[in-house]
Formats: sequence, structure tokens, C-alpha cells
Amino acid sequence: DARVTQTPRHKVTEMGQEVTMRCQPILGHNTVFWYRQTMMQGLELLAYFRNRAPLDDSGMPKDRFSAEMPDATLATLKIQPSEPRDSAVYFCASGLVLGQGNMNTEAFFGQGTRLTVV
Amino acid sequence: GESVGLHLPTLSVQEGDNSIINCAYSNSASDYFIWYKQESGKGPQFIIDIRSNMDKRQGQRVTVLLNKTVKHLSLQIAATQPGDSAVYFCAEKTDTGRRALTFGSGTRLQVQP
Repeated sequence: DARVTQTPRHKVTEMGQEVTMRCQPILGHNTVFWYRQTMMQGLELLAYFRNRAPLDDSGMPKDRFSAEMPDATLATLKIQPSEPRDSAVYFCASGLVLGQGNMNTEAFFGQGTRLTVV
Repeated sequence: GESVGLHLPTLSVQEGDNSIINCAYSNSASDYFIWYKQESGKGPQFIIDIRSNMDKRQGQRVTVLLNKTVKHLSLQIAATQPGDSAVYFCAEKTDTGRRALTFGSGTRLQVQP
């Protein structure tokens, strides 16, 4: 069945290292979201794309985070250099939005990438 | 997935009872609302949605009520089952414009057998 696939599921890395998280949205969806979940902040929007173009990345620390969609089947979130405070679960979600921003489907979430930076 | 943890409000109910989970939202321009369920180790899963031109919507065992006057949303789960134990989030969005879903802080539902 159709689902959002995220890799890796778990990542432990040392401070200063580069981390790349990948997401395969549901085929046919044109909107991709990146969220970060922590105990203190809950679910925070980092960035989202529509038709592969970034619409909003205001929630993302620009100095170390970057998000891209090389093609319609792949979204990436990169942290360079990583810091312990980046430890969180990172979720990708996809949805279908047509017309004037009306959401035709809800956002479907992947299983998340649990990142630990030591 | 760890979900939001230590400081979540918790609702504890007996199996078979009805549950009501509440959510207050702040953006009066929000016109689309979703309830998500998040089980341990998983991503949020869609339960039910409602648009601002409605005040009630029913699904299977779930009902969402929307009160735009006081900016309040509730999720009612009938005959709560152990499998309903999870963290529940409300999310809001404006259908127009570029905003994505904004999530509330979540409520943990514990179902006692």
C-alpha cells in the first residue's frame, strides 16, 4: 500500500558530522513536509515543498540545515555540521494539494528518522 | 518515535468508556483541522478532519466537534479500546495560502483494561 518511506530509521552520529535523511513521498503527491519532534517542542514544521519548489523553510536553522527535492520521488534533509541539540525524530509527510491551496488529502507521515547526535 | 513525552496532559479512561480529547487553537484564520494519532515508534496517523464550514463530523467510532467562536476542537472516541492508547494531536491549517499544518502539543490517552 502507498506510504511515505524514510531512511534511515535510526542514526547515531558524532557532533560535527554531516547527516542526510531521505524521504520518498507517496507517488502522485505534490507536497512534502519536514517536521521535527522533540519532547520539549513537540512537532515543529521545518520546511515544505510543493511541486519540488520550497514554499516555506522559515522553521529551519539556515546555517546548518538544508532541504532539497532532487526529483519528485526523493526529498532530503541535511544537517551540516550536526549538534547534540539536533537530536530528535524527523518526520517527512506528503500530501496532494490542488487548485488554490486546498488540501485534497491529509498529510501522510512516514515512520520518522530518530537522530541522536553525541 | 518518542512522541512528545514527559509533560503531555494525560487522559486515562476505562476500556469501553467514551473519551473526549480537547484542543484549543489560536489562529482564527484556520479553516481546516485534522486529528492525528501517534503510537509509540510510529509517525502521526490521520484520524479525521473537518473544515470550518462544519461544526461536526463523524467517522467510525470518532466524532470531531468544532466551535469556531471559542476556537475549540474536540475528538470523541466511542467505546474506547486498548488499541486507542496513543498520543493525539490536533493540527490546523488555512486552506488558502502557503501555510502547512501547525500541530498542538498533544494529549496522551491511556486506556485501562
